[in-house]
Amino acid sequence: DAGVIQSPRHEVTEMGQEVTLRCKPISGHNSLFWYRQTMMRGLELLIYFNNNVPIDDSGMPEDRFSAKMPNASFSTLKIQPSEPRDSAVYFCASSFVRHPGELFFGEGSRLTVL
Amino acid sequence: DQQVKQNSPSLSVQEGRISILNCDYTNSMFDYFLWYKKYPAEGPTFLISISSIKDKNEDGRFTVFLNKSAKHLSLHIVPSQPGDSAVYFCAASTSGTYKYIFGTGTRLKVLA
Repeated sequence: DAGVIQSPRHEVTEMGQEVTLRCKPISGHNSLFWYRQTMMRGLELLIYFNNNVPIDDSGMPEDRFSAKMPNASFSTLKIQPSEPRDSAVYFCASSFVRHPGELFFGEGSRLTVL
Repeated sequence: DQQVKQNSPSLSVQEGRISILNCDYTNSMFDYFLWYKKYPAEGPTFLISISSIKDKNEDGRFTVFLNKSAKHLSLHIVPSQPGDSAVYFCAASTSGTYKYIFGTGTRLKVLA
């Protein structure tokens, strides 16, 4: 059974460019989460979806960040325009809501903004 | 404000000894707690969880203790093995929200 798939694994871009991170959750899971890992804040929840609907986006740092989930098998996190302080590892995770607690994480997308 | 806190950024333990990782939380509405383990260049993986109706949950070498009055939980690893060297995150959630708040992590190093 395939796990959560994220792409790209690594992204290096210049300040001001648009960045799109992609996530394919585990089939059958109905919740999807975007986290950002930094040294200072650890794993920071950005946004989560339940049945493709955004439930809580209070962690999205600024209007430059947006996330979509057009269907149950795909989500994107977009940063436009990107800034050097956005450099971090971004994780996508999914779960099946009847079993809370077992978030399944992807391997992450490491973003570097120069 | 950090609702879930792991005040020790790192911990070193000798192989075979006990590792104790601590976590504090501030939100009394949290009723489900989890520990995740993360190796470099990999995503976090689920380790063990505990519901607020319990004060202890054990799985092999891993035991999680919950002290609700102190808003504190801890993860005990006995005996510690070099393969346990990783970053450990605690997380908390409230029933019905499915919103998992993670701490900043503790890097455990088990010395052979």
